[in-house]
Amino acid sequence: NAGVTQTPKFQVLKTGQSMTLQCAQDMNHNSMYWYRQDPGMGLRLIYYSASEGTTDKGEVPNGYNVSRLNKREFSLRLESAAPSQTSVYFCASSKTGASGGYTFGSGTRLTVV
Amino acid sequence: AQSVTQPDIHITVSEGASLELRCNYSYGATPYLFWYVQSPGQGLQLLLKYFSGDTLVQGIKGFEAEFKRSQSSFNLRKPSVHWSDAAEYFCALNAGNMLTFGGGTRLMVKP
Repeated sequence: NAGVTQTPKFQVLKTGQSMTLQCAQDMNHNSMYWYRQDPGMGLRLIYYSASEGTTDKGEVPNGYNVSRLNKREFSLRLESAAPSQTSVYFCASSKTGASGGYTFGSGTRLTVV
Repeated sequence: AQSVTQPDIHITVSEGASLELRCNYSYGATPYLFWYVQSPGQGLQLLLKYFSGDTLVQGIKGFEAEFKRSQSSFNLRKPSVHWSDAAEYFCALNAGNMLTFGGGTRLMVKP
C-alpha cells in the first residue's frame, strides 16, 4: 500500500519562481490537507479539502493556492516563491474530517534562495 | 480558538528509563486528542488517539497516554525507553475538520 505519496522530495527554488507540490492518496479518503513544518512551530495548516470539489483556507494560506484535482490528488502551488516559504511540506489525508486522525506523506523539503 | 502546547522542546533520557512527554490543550468542547511520532526525514506516524471513555489509552510501540480533563492535559508515557524511540513527538487536537498540532518535543536517548 502506497498510502500518501508526495513529489518531489526535495526542491530548491529561486525567489520569484513558481512550482507545484503534488500529493496523491490511494486509500479512497475524502479529506486531504497541506501543512508546513517549521522548527519549534509544529505543523501549521495551509489549506485543506474536506471532500472532492471543496477547498478551504487554513491557518497560513497566504502565498499558496491549491487544487483538488480529483478524489485522489491534492496539489499545492507557490506562484512566486519567497524565502519565508522555505519549509518542509506535508500532505495528509483522512477518511472524512480529522476525528480519526491523518495518514501523512513523507514530506517535501523546499528551500527558497 | 483551540490550541495545543508542548512545554518541553527537548528531553533527554537514558535508555531503559521511563518517559513522560507533556501536552496541554485549550478547547471549548470534549477534545479528540492524538500523539504522533516523527523519525528524522520521515512523515508523522500515529501513536495513539483518545476519543472518549477510558482515560488511559494504549498505543503502538509500548506507549500510553492519559487524558485528564481537570488539567487539560494528555501526557504521553513509556515505562522503558529504547534507543529507537529517539524522534520528535507531536500532540494534536481535533477541532472541526482539521488537526491542530503542538510545537513538538524532540526526544534524545542516552546509551
